[in-house]
Amino acid sequence: GESVGLHLPTLSVQEGDNSIINCAYSNSASDYFIWYKQESGKGPQFIIDIRSNMDKRQGQRVTVLLNKTVKHLSLQIAATQPGDSAVYFCAETPTGNQFYFGTGTSLTVIP
Amino acid sequence: DTAVSQTPKYLVTQMGNDKSIKCEQNLGHDTMYWYKQDSKKFLKIMFSYNNKELIINETVPNRFSPKSPDKAHLNLHINSLELGDSAVYFCASSGFGISSEQYFGPGTRLTVT
Repeated sequence: GESVGLHLPTLSVQEGDNSIINCAYSNSASDYFIWYKQESGKGPQFIIDIRSNMDKRQGQRVTVLLNKTVKHLSLQIAATQPGDSAVYFCAETPTGNQFYFGTGTSLTVIP
Repeated sequence: DTAVSQTPKYLVTQMGNDKSIKCEQNLGHDTMYWYKQDSKKFLKIMFSYNNKELIINETVPNRFSPKSPDKAHLNLHINSLELGDSAVYFCASSGFGISSEQYFGPGTRLTVT
C-alpha cells in the first residue's frame, strides 16, 4: 500500500498563534491531496485540497503548501482558535478514487 | 438533512457473531467507500463502489462483504467477528474521478468482546 505519514503526532499551540502541520507522502504519482479535520466522535471533514500542478492554495485561515520535490505537504492554520482542536489528516491519491491517509496529528489549542 | 448517514452508531457484539452496518447518502454521488479507523486513528480504505460496482477492494478478509443495493446505499456485512475487528468504521461518498471531495458519515464504533 501507499505510505502517507505525519512528522508530529501531537501539536499544542496557544490560541491566536499560527499552526503548521506537516505530512510526507511516498507516491510520486499522486496527483491530488486533501487535508481533513476530524473532531472527536465525528467523521473526517474536508478542509482544503491541492492538485499536483500547484504549490500553494489558500482558504479561509488555512493554507496548504505542496513540495513535490521532497514529497511534502503542510497545512497552515492562521490565528488558531479553540474550535480548531482536532485530529488533522492528509490524504493523497494517484487516481481520484483511492485515498491513502496519513496517521494524523492531534492539534490542541490552549486558550 | 444528513448527507451521509450510518447505522448503528455503536455496535457491541461477541466474537463469532455476524453483523451489518448500513450506510446511505443523499448527495447523489456515484461512489461510496468503507474505511476502518483503528485505535491509533489510522484510516484505511477497505472498499469502494461506483454505481453499485466494486472498484477497490483492499486486502480485507473475506469475512467482510460489502453490498450496494443501489448507488445511494453501501452496506457492510461482517461474518465471524474477531477481536481485531474492533474499530470505528466510516462510510463516505464522492463524485467519480480526481478532485472529488469525499463526505464522511459519523462512523460506527464496533466493539467485539
